[in-house]
Amino acid sequence: NAGVTQTPKFRVLKTGQSMTLLCAQDMNHEYMYWYRQDPGMGLRLIHYSVGEGTTAKGEVPDGYNVSRLKKQNFLLGLESAAPSQTSVYFCASSYQGDTEAFFGQGTRLTVV
Amino acid sequence: GEDVEQSLFLSVREGDSSVINCTYTDSSSTYLYWYKQEPGAGLQLLTYIFSNMDMKQDQRLTVLLNKKDKHLSLRIADTQTGDSAIYFCAESDNFNKFYFGSGTKLNVKP
Repeated sequence: NAGVTQTPKFRVLKTGQSMTLLCAQDMNHEYMYWYRQDPGMGLRLIHYSVGEGTTAKGEVPDGYNVSRLKKQNFLLGLESAAPSQTSVYFCASSYQGDTEAFFGQGTRLTVV
Repeated sequence: GEDVEQSLFLSVREGDSSVINCTYTDSSSTYLYWYKQEPGAGLQLLTYIFSNMDMKQDQRLTVLLNKKDKHLSLRIADTQTGDSAIYFCAESDNFNKFYFGSGTKLNVKP
């Protein structure tokens, strides 16, 4: 019972590099979310998806892109990483938008 | 987006009760949630309350909702050192997005 799996768990990037974070869920959930967690600021929604092939912007979408080509996967891309994107990134999924969200273990990203 | 606010820290002694408070702005929220985050881990749902309820009890946890004041609280009875974690209040809006507070770090002293 994997639940929500994020890869990688840790990554260090140089400013300007690109990378993709992968989130996979095996619960057949429609809704998937990407959050970033910064000290004292809680979780802020970056992008979310309400189904395969759909994406929408959250509170802090700038500098990120997402794709949901398959229902079970939600990818978060950073095209040109900046130090301000140093954070812990969490993926979550839920069956419906107002039911329990299940979280991955997080990806700690450092941009130097 | 919606605004969910919590105090950042709470320190209690083992065996005491802990009360973590939260205020929110979206009066149309259907559910309000409490999540727990242990160090180095993701968030796990502790409990939730439907917006037409005033109180929900689940073993050592009691959730109180004052809808008029948009105030949510989580009471942990007989707090243990294993309860030390960050506790997040959250609400969901009509567009199926979750909004989280900044989290309250609970420190339980032996």
